[in-house]
Amino acid sequence: QKEVEQDPGPLSVPEGAIVSLNCTYSNSAFQYFMWYRQYSRKGPELLMYTYSSGNKEDGRFTAQVDKSSKYISLFIRDSQPSDSATYLCAPFGGGYQKVTFGIGTKLQVIP
Amino acid sequence: NAGVMQNPRHLVRRRGQEARLRCSPMKGHSHVYWYRQLPEEGLKFMVYLQKENIIDESGMPKERFSAEFPKEGPSILRIQQVVRGDSAAYFCASSPPPGQGSGELFFGEGSRLTVL
Repeated sequence: QKEVEQDPGPLSVPEGAIVSLNCTYSNSAFQYFMWYRQYSRKGPELLMYTYSSGNKEDGRFTAQVDKSSKYISLFIRDSQPSDSATYLCAPFGGGYQKVTFGIGTKLQVIP
Repeated sequence: NAGVMQNPRHLVRRRGQEARLRCSPMKGHSHVYWYRQLPEEGLKFMVYLQKENIIDESGMPKERFSAEFPKEGPSILRIQQVVRGDSAAYFCASSPPPGQGSGELFFGEGSRLTVL
């Protein structure tokens, strides 16, 4: 079983749609949950960061963590063509532990 | 404040040659990660270093690959006797020491290695 599982997509939605991106993980020691966004031919950049279970909202983006089911989600409201990118989840335990990424879900928002 | 700088951005090598990829972390960051990315495999962890010390090299192939982060100068990822399967994008990321930041990794733009 992979440490972090993520559907690679691609996911294609019309502009204005609500997008749901998900990951599952196996390591119960993970405490920090990050979502990175990567545009084509660029390095990933941090989009959202949450600690432990719960929700966090930032503008059109909401990150959700359910540690009991080891399930993390990213919701994008009113999606825009500029949201077209690959979204990578990255749960990790903190400290000197390595950061493991999901394979990434490629999202395309059609104008 | 400059971000993470990687060079070269593109590197072409013939089979059997050596590839050296360099990474200068953000100012104030003492920890460096190297990742390899292939379209069908995602971002794969290779090695995690702090200055003059390897913290975790569990993702490094046992042969031909090595990494260092000296006290002075950039971190170097070295691939000896490259093969076609080494063709990939190699990303470096840096962070402050654990406990001094949120755990966020700051990535460079990547070095794209092509092996002919």
